Amino acid sequence: DIQMTQSPSSLSASVGDRVTITCQASQDIKKYLDWYQQKPGKAPKLLIYDASTLETGVPSRFTGSGYGKDFTFTIMSLQPEDIATYYCQQYNDLPWTFGQGTKVEIK
Amino acid sequence: EMQLVESGGDLVHPGGSLRLSCAASGFTFRNYWTSWVRQAPGKGLEWVANIKQDGSEQYYADSVRGRFTISRDNAKNSLYLLMNSLGADDTATYYCARVGGVWYFDLWGRGTQVAVS
Repeated sequence: DIQMTQSPSSLSASVGDRVTITCQASQDIKKYLDWYQQKPGKAPKLLIYDASTLETGVPSRFTGSGYGKDFTFTIMSLQPEDIATYYCQQYNDLPWTFGQGTKVEIK
Repeated sequence: EMQLVESGGDLVHPGGSLRLSCAASGFTFRNYWTSWVRQAPGKGLEWVANIKQDGSEQYYADSVRGRFTISRDNAKNSLYLLMNSLGADDTATYYCARVGGVWYFDLWGRGTQVAVS
């Protein structure tokens, strides 16, 4: 199985800060990675797929990059409504696997 | 509006069985692979199973293979998960998710809770 190592597990930042989360795959997954946002008590929401493509309707302050084994997710200017847990997920190979999540809080 | 609505979650005893359902609306259900994804309390997300548009292919996580069965009824726009031999590790919120584009989950239901105790 492909292991997804996401870091940090949590972070605290101020409104307007740039926030970066990394995700590393245990083997090459090409571009087949996506990022989800999950707010407390809610279902996950797709933000980015194919490593860097923004899902329709998602604000442009969310960006993704990377290829192969190393990926980055960035919130360019943190907003209060971005408080959530963020997950990466690989879909290069079954079983599809998720990172352990990054909880983002406001300082 | 596109929607997935899960139902069937309950409290069951270890070794018991349960059948979850997911009703799709607002899109052409038969055109999409669909999946079940679960989340244990306070934990991360775990993919459980996938089923092809016509039901001819199914794939399972190792943790559920041989105990869970995914199925669908396109005439009823519904997805199912039959869960047998349930154990404490199966306690989770179970989400129904549509597989869009390549293989990402582009539409999720709100989940249904399963507790094994």
